[in-house]
Amino acid sequence: NAGVMQNPRHLVRRRGQEARLRCSPMKGHSHVYWYRQLPEEGLKFMVYLQKENIIDESGMPKERFSAEFPKEGPSILRIQQVVRGDSAAYFCASSPSYGTGAYEQYFGPGTRLTVT
Amino acid sequence: KNEVEQSPQNLTAQEGEFITINCSYSVGISALHWLQQHPGGGIVSLFMLSSGKKKHGRLIATINIQEKHSSLHITASHPRDSAVYICAVRYGGATNKLIFGTGTLLAVQP
Repeated sequence: NAGVMQNPRHLVRRRGQEARLRCSPMKGHSHVYWYRQLPEEGLKFMVYLQKENIIDESGMPKERFSAEFPKEGPSILRIQQVVRGDSAAYFCASSPSYGTGAYEQYFGPGTRLTVT
Repeated sequence: KNEVEQSPQNLTAQEGEFITINCSYSVGISALHWLQQHPGGGIVSLFMLSSGKKKHGRLIATINIQEKHSSLHITASHPRDSAVYICAVRYGGATNKLIFGTGTLLAVQP
């Protein structure tokens, strides 16, 4: 059973370009969380999604950031018109929707975004 | 003030020492997680606790709900334990989001 997959692992974008980060949850998991780790800072919650639904987006910046988790395919975190301050490691985690492990979150390896 | 406070921020130990990392939080939670992150690396979940104590190998995690405090202990520390240890809390309700502490950077010297 493969773990949480994220791609790309490293992404370089110029200011003003779009960044698309992908997360494939563990098999059988229908809950996805995105977290951001800015340089020299701790992890911060961004958004929590279930299939086709955004449950909590209280940590998402109001502009330029969006997330989706379609019925088929990976979850996507999209950053439009990137700025240098978006440079960070973006981690995805997933959890199952029921059972004793319902609240355990399994983390992906992260995508390191560098904006030049 | 951060909702989740960890101490110490940095810790250097000699191989074989017993290590304790502390985590305090300000309001009631439904669960507390301990995570491990190696420099430049991914994040591994070590424990999820809602009460009492859990043990896995040389790692022990405890939580005191009344005092809003948790500790992570490493027995017989080894250089491969060198990493950042992160405490995170979950409040429950409709969201399962985690609120993280700032982490403790542990260096175990041979």
